[in-house]
Amino acid sequence: GAGVSQSPSNKVTEKGKDVELRCDPISGHTALYWYRQSLGQGLEFLIYFQGNSAPDKSGLPSDRFSAERTGGSVSTLTIQRTQQEDSAVYLCASSLARQGPYEQYFGPGTRLTVT
Amino acid sequence: EDQVTQSPEALRLQEGESSSLNCSYTVSGLRGLFWYRQDPGKGPEFLFTLYSAGEEKEKERLKATLTKKESFLHITAPKPEDSATYLCAVRGYGQNFVFGPGTRLSVLP
Repeated sequence: GAGVSQSPSNKVTEKGKDVELRCDPISGHTALYWYRQSLGQGLEFLIYFQGNSAPDKSGLPSDRFSAERTGGSVSTLTIQRTQQEDSAVYLCASSLARQGPYEQYFGPGTRLTVT
Repeated sequence: EDQVTQSPEALRLQEGESSSLNCSYTVSGLRGLFWYRQDPGKGPEFLFTLYSAGEEKEKERLKATLTKKESFLHITAPKPEDSATYLCAVRGYGQNFVFGPGTRLSVLP
């Protein structure tokens, strides 16, 4: 079956511009996560969605970052007034549920470069 | 605070030379320890979940084991196609996943 998809695969933007990154989770997966991976670094948790519950935003690095999930499926991560330190690979993952140690399945990521 | 460290940072092996990767963790109530493989330019690929100390899981040339403080990923007779970064993650009562920095494995033919 189809895996997690993300778009665009690459995004180059100028400092100060806003960007939107999209994630399509695996059908039937109710949990959706966003992570950031900087060069040579581990995955940094950003935000988590589970069904209709309020999202867990505890990992968002600043108020320039926001995310929404429409209809319990597609999610968009928005970064406003981008800075050079926002350059990284943004990964989306989905899993069956948050309860239980269900493994996550990742998309291919969006590589963001802020010039 | 849940934490994960991995060693070594990088490992070079000759084809057929078996070795182990280490993942050390501290977590408030382990609900699962996960191993992933990540190839360059791709998202992590799920390998194993371990739930309790003493548990072991195998897949082809890989075997993952778990104790109360660490997990090992044993690679037996590796092949060049096993070259990748291997990530370890834990999930505790805090619900979120905490990832280690990874071990970059290179298997030379």
